[in-house]
Amino acid sequence: GIQVEQSPPDLILQEGANSTLRCNFSDSVNNLQWFHQNPWGQLINLFYIPSGTKQNGRLSATTVATERYSLLYISSSQTTDSGVYFCAESGGNNDMRFGAGTRLTVKP
Amino acid sequence: ETGVTQTPRHLVMGMTNKKSLKCEQHLGHNAMYWYKQSAKKPLELMFVYNFKEQTENNSVPSRFSPECPNSSHLFLHLHTLQPEDSALYLCASSHDSNQPQHFGDGTRLSIL
Repeated sequence: GIQVEQSPPDLILQEGANSTLRCNFSDSVNNLQWFHQNPWGQLINLFYIPSGTKQNGRLSATTVATERYSLLYISSSQTTDSGVYFCAESGGNNDMRFGAGTRLTVKP
Repeated sequence: ETGVTQTPRHLVMGMTNKKSLKCEQHLGHNAMYWYKQSAKKPLELMFVYNFKEQTENNSVPSRFSPECPNSSHLFLHLHTLQPEDSALYLCASSHDSNQPQHFGDGTRLSIL
């Protein structure tokens, strides 16, 4: 099946710092999404990005499908950015697979 | 996001109880999904419905029984669960399999 690997598993930042989260996947991408799960378990859709680059405020994401990776950039991090960031991808057969996540802690 | 609503938010039940989780989406989507998130594990896809038809059952034990009466509603019927079934159960929907999935807030289930 499709393998999704995220790195780093844990990340601690000082407020205001920038960070890059990486997602590697083993097969061709049809649907790739980045999610933020807050401490209450709510899963928020950040980006739908099977290829290319998108930006939304302090967050941006880039997927290089030919090289099978995606990056999530967080700039000027805030304490509210804390939580777990998941990437998930599928080959288009509803078999969406999630990575293990990157647990981000932003300290004031 | 408020397009996908799950109830209840929390559920505590004994191993012999029967309960149901409910998911409702107001996004006009055609596909709905159940996921399980156990502690320190990635989300696991359990079931997929497309146009009310089940298209995937990811080797889920029969003590979990999904039901999709229409494209807007999805249920997960629970019976004779085990303690290891305690987890966060998330529902999602998408327009189709090639479109982004939108998640509900989840039901946190505890089995005593």
